[in-house]
Amino acid sequence: AQSVTQLDSQVPVFEEAPVELRCNYSSSVSVYLFWYVQYPNQGLQLLLKYLSGSTLVKSINGFEAEFNKSQTSFHLRKPSVHISDTAEYFCAVRGNDMRFGAGTRLTVKP
Amino acid sequence: NAGVTQTPKFQVLKTGQSMTLQCAQDMNHEYMSWYRQDPGMGLRLIHYSVGAGITDQGEVPNGYNVSRSTTEDFPLRLLSAAPSQTSVYFCASSYGQFGAGEQFFGPGTRLTVL
Repeated sequence: AQSVTQLDSQVPVFEEAPVELRCNYSSSVSVYLFWYVQYPNQGLQLLLKYLSGSTLVKSINGFEAEFNKSQTSFHLRKPSVHISDTAEYFCAVRGNDMRFGAGTRLTVKP
Repeated sequence: NAGVTQTPKFQVLKTGQSMTLQCAQDMNHEYMSWYRQDPGMGLRLIHYSVGAGITDQGEVPNGYNVSRSTTEDFPLRLLSAAPSQTSVYFCASSYGQFGAGEQFFGPGTRLTVL
């Protein structure tokens, strides 16, 4: 089965600063990759996904992630964060089944 | 559309009690899944279904049963609750298996087992 490692459990940043949330995976089969966001007391929402094609994928609210097959990574980036980006972010991998990382809590400070 | 709905939102059980967590979706999705979320562990797949009458085990199926008699409903049964089952449970549905399209999540059920 595949596995997912999110390298940072908590990431505090100041508003308008850039941020990178790191995700590495392992799998013996081809994978689809996802980033989900969870706001307090809510379910998860899809942020962006890589299925095939261009390795750089973008969300509507300024996040982007790049699939790097050689490094088995799918890091999430945003050049300038807002207070409203404060949430928990989960990287997920679909191979034979669906596996999620432990999550990274992003806190944006004013 | 209501999307994915879950009931109840909160539940407290005593060890050994049984209960059913309800999940329904009105998007005509074939695929439905149950996850549990525990601090520091992310979401772990319990059971999933690829269509009415078809279910399979995920990563952590022990202590849970599921059935899928209709496309819309996918209940999760705890047969004999244990404190280790204290968690937040999420139901999800999608067109493609595990969201080759997109997985839509319900709001969750917070379960405490005493």
